[in-house]
Amino acid sequence: SQQGEEDPQALSIQEGENATMNCSYKTSINNLQWYRQNSGRGLVHLILIRSNEREKHSGRLRVTLDTSKKSSSLLITASRAADTASYFCATDVGSNYQLIWGTGTKLIIKP
Amino acid sequence: NAGVTQTPKFRVLKTGQSMTLLCAQDMNHEYMYWYRQDPGMGLRLIHYSVGEGTTAKGEVPDGYNVSRLKKQNFLLGLESAAPSQTSVYFCASSSSTIAKNIQYFGAGTRLSVL
Repeated sequence: SQQGEEDPQALSIQEGENATMNCSYKTSINNLQWYRQNSGRGLVHLILIRSNEREKHSGRLRVTLDTSKKSSSLLITASRAADTASYFCATDVGSNYQLIWGTGTKLIIKP
Repeated sequence: NAGVTQTPKFRVLKTGQSMTLLCAQDMNHEYMYWYRQDPGMGLRLIHYSVGEGTTAKGEVPDGYNVSRLKKQNFLLGLESAAPSQTSVYFCASSSSTIAKNIQYFGAGTRLSVL
């Protein structure tokens, strides 16, 4: 069963705007990760935030984590056409190095 | 930088046929995983391996078998394919020491069972 639920399921914005997607999870975690999947391709790791961290940045990406609410958000600033993809959150709950995956947010950047 | 390589990329099977999907990684990772991805359902873990010669069941193991005879290879077998196994299959690997549990994915195998 999926640990993470992502919101929204789909998001369409204009190029240059910011995109925010959210992930909620159910149990305690070691870390939470975000991955990107371009159409027809495998997933690519974007960023990892540990359970004792509240915010992390990587280039145009900003991730926040609220363990009290069991939620995380991924912000992509100044979006580009190349950001069009599906984005998945995944939680490490410390069980045999398995990750528990969300259902993903499909992001479309309109030129 | 090959990373994780999956073969084949596409396959069409008839119900009842068998096949093996091959995953190879060149990063010396201890952990390897097989997932299936269906529309709207994210990734579901089929089987995984924490080292050469060891395998374990994931969330949806029925109808699949796996083997890890060599550290770099992880094979997924379908003994008697069913239409419900139509999906996109992804292999992934991760290290037990460096950047624990960041997973590296192959490009996927798109399987249709008629």
